Amino acid sequence: QQQVKQSPQSLIVQKGGIPIINCAYENTAFDYFPWYQQFPGKGPALLIAIRPDVSEKKEGRFTISFNKSAKQFSLHIMDSQPGDSATYFCAASTDSNYQLIWGAGTKLIIKP
Amino acid sequence: KAGVTQTPRYLIKTRGQQVTLSCSPISGHRSVSWYQQTPGQGLQFLFEYFSETQRNKGNFPGRFSGRQFSNSRSEMNVSTLELGDSALYLCASSLVGSNYGYTFGSGTRLTVV
Repeated sequence: QQQVKQSPQSLIVQKGGIPIINCAYENTAFDYFPWYQQFPGKGPALLIAIRPDVSEKKEGRFTISFNKSAKQFSLHIMDSQPGDSATYFCAASTDSNYQLIWGAGTKLIIKP
Repeated sequence: KAGVTQTPRYLIKTRGQQVTLSCSPISGHRSVSWYQQTPGQGLQFLFEYFSETQRNKGNFPGRFSGRQFSNSRSEMNVSTLELGDSALYLCASSLVGSNYGYTFGSGTRLTVV
């Protein structure tokens, strides 16, 4: 019940396309859902996060869509660029636990 | 402001030895978490410290230990190193916990030979 399932494992998209990465969870107590971006040789960096009281959040070209009833959330990258090529991790946590439960990661490649 | 600083960046150790890794969090951050990252296992949570107390612990053997000092700096120690301990060890700091966003360091790449 503590798991966060992330898909796909890897994704190749042409420049300008819209890659979509999906995550699903079981624990309805989760109330914080962040996405992290990791480049080779670096630690993950917080990209965008959402709480369950909203269904969508945009920051620049990055959008989180959240479906509370389906217990799913996804990351969309608009007008993707080769510089977006990285590994993306979704995660979830509760206010009472302070521990992030991580998805397995998606390696995204944007082809020029 | 300065980010999360991890030292050393790279380390090569021999099986059976022990190692200590250091993490200096962002100034004012009181929560420090440690993760092990390997290609096949993703991000595995080791432990989290808040105000010098271990608040959460992952499923790692007792060979993995940590501590946090009064200035929020943290260290993790791995004793009796095994080949399987080769990984990138990441430290992340946060004001009070994961729900407020982590800032990660660049990690320490540990190779056990």
